[in-house]
Amino acid sequence: DAGVIQSPRHEVTEMGQEVTLRCKPISGHNSLFWYRQTMMRGLELLIYFNNNVPIDDSGMPEDRFSAKMPNASFSTLKIQPSEPRDSAVYFCASSQRGPAGELFFGEGSRLTVL
Amino acid sequence: AQSVTQLDSQVPVFEEAPVELRCNYSSSVSVYLFWYVQYPNQGLQLLLKYLSGSTLVESINGFEAEFNKSQTSFHLRKPSVHISDTAEYFCALQGGSEKLVFGKGTKLTVNP
Repeated sequence: DAGVIQSPRHEVTEMGQEVTLRCKPISGHNSLFWYRQTMMRGLELLIYFNNNVPIDDSGMPEDRFSAKMPNASFSTLKIQPSEPRDSAVYFCASSQRGPAGELFFGEGSRLTVL
Repeated sequence: AQSVTQLDSQVPVFEEAPVELRCNYSSSVSVYLFWYVQYPNQGLQLLLKYLSGSTLVESINGFEAEFNKSQTSFHLRKPSVHISDTAEYFCALQGGSEKLVFGKGTKLTVNP
């Protein structure tokens, strides 16, 4: 079975440009999570969805960040405009809804903003 | 607020030596506890979890963790490590919602 698929794996862009990261969760999973990983702050939850509905976006840093889940098999995380401090690895994870459900992570999208 | 503290950012050990990776947590509600492992350039994978029942939980590759409610700890141990155990290990908790709160991770390096 295919796992969580993220694209692009690597993105290098210049400050001010728009960045879109994409995620395809595991089929049948109805919870989706976006995490950001940096050396300084570790793993931070940005937002999560249940059944395509955003449940908690309190971790989204600011208005430059937005996330959508138009259907059960696709989600995007957009940064507009991007800044150097957004450089990080962004992970998408999915799980079957319910307590203590195992999170399945994608391989991450490494973003570098120059 | 909930939090997870991993006291050691890096742990170097020699092959076949025992290892303990420490994890303490804080929460005002009951929690589920997890250890995830991240190999280089990969996403995180579940290693083991504590939900209820026996306070000692084991993984298929020889790791174990013990839930200690009085000390609010969930330390990860392995009696004899292999080179292939070199990775970053994350302790996490879930309580009151589906959100997983992660610690900052411990990089385990196993040297020959």
